[in-house]
Amino acid sequence: QVQLVQSGVEVKKPGSSVKVSCKASGGTFSTFAISWVRQAPGQGLEWMGGIIPVFGTPNYAQKSLGRVTITADESTTTVYMQLTNLTSEDTALYYCARGGKYSLTRHGLDVWGQGTTVTVSS
Amino acid sequence: DIQMTQSPSSLSASIGDRVTITCRASQSVSANLNWFQQKPGKAPKLLIYGASSLHGGVPSRFSGSGSGSDFTLTISSLQPDDFATYYCQQSYTSPFNFGPGTRLDVK
Repeated sequence: QVQLVQSGVEVKKPGSSVKVSCKASGGTFSTFAISWVRQAPGQGLEWMGGIIPVFGTPNYAQKSLGRVTITADESTTTVYMQLTNLTSEDTALYYCARGGKYSLTRHGLDVWGQGTTVTVSS
Repeated sequence: DIQMTQSPSSLSASIGDRVTITCRASQSVSANLNWFQQKPGKAPKLLIYGASSLHGGVPSRFSGSGSGSDFTLTISSLQPDDFATYYCQQSYTSPFNFGPGTRLDVK
């Protein structure tokens, strides 16, 4: 059974960066996509970008371009999301979620991590 | 980008009610539409993918329909565990935007 386990709570200063990890276990890693989705307090879901580890090339939402970097390490079955130049608007719960085989979203996002809270505050 | 809208934004219903939530895309997404359920403090759960395919383990009272730009999620007989927020998401083209959500609570 596939599980995604994310890194812990982060508290950051404005202008700094954060790197959140998502470790997959229990299934095939390299050929299944991982997306990052965030949710600001009391708000809806925002797709930020995703990656298929075996291909290595991320796909980003336009809003994420320039500040978000998604990478995958096949040796540790871990996907990372780094967000730079943080502002208070980046305060949110960040989720990783599994997509399809060789596809970012075929058959939906069927397995989700537990979420990582990122708080940006001076 | 494809924009997603949902209606209603909130809904009150009773146990046993039939509930329908609508999702509309700003352009055709064919049948590439997913539905998620989210409860407070929890990660979203996939209910329906490909507009009408039930994800494994999801009760059969949930169903999805539609294609092109207009979609519906139907709960045939509302159960206590169904009170939550529901989101649609298009999986046709990047960015894979979500709808704003529909909050379903107890009447």
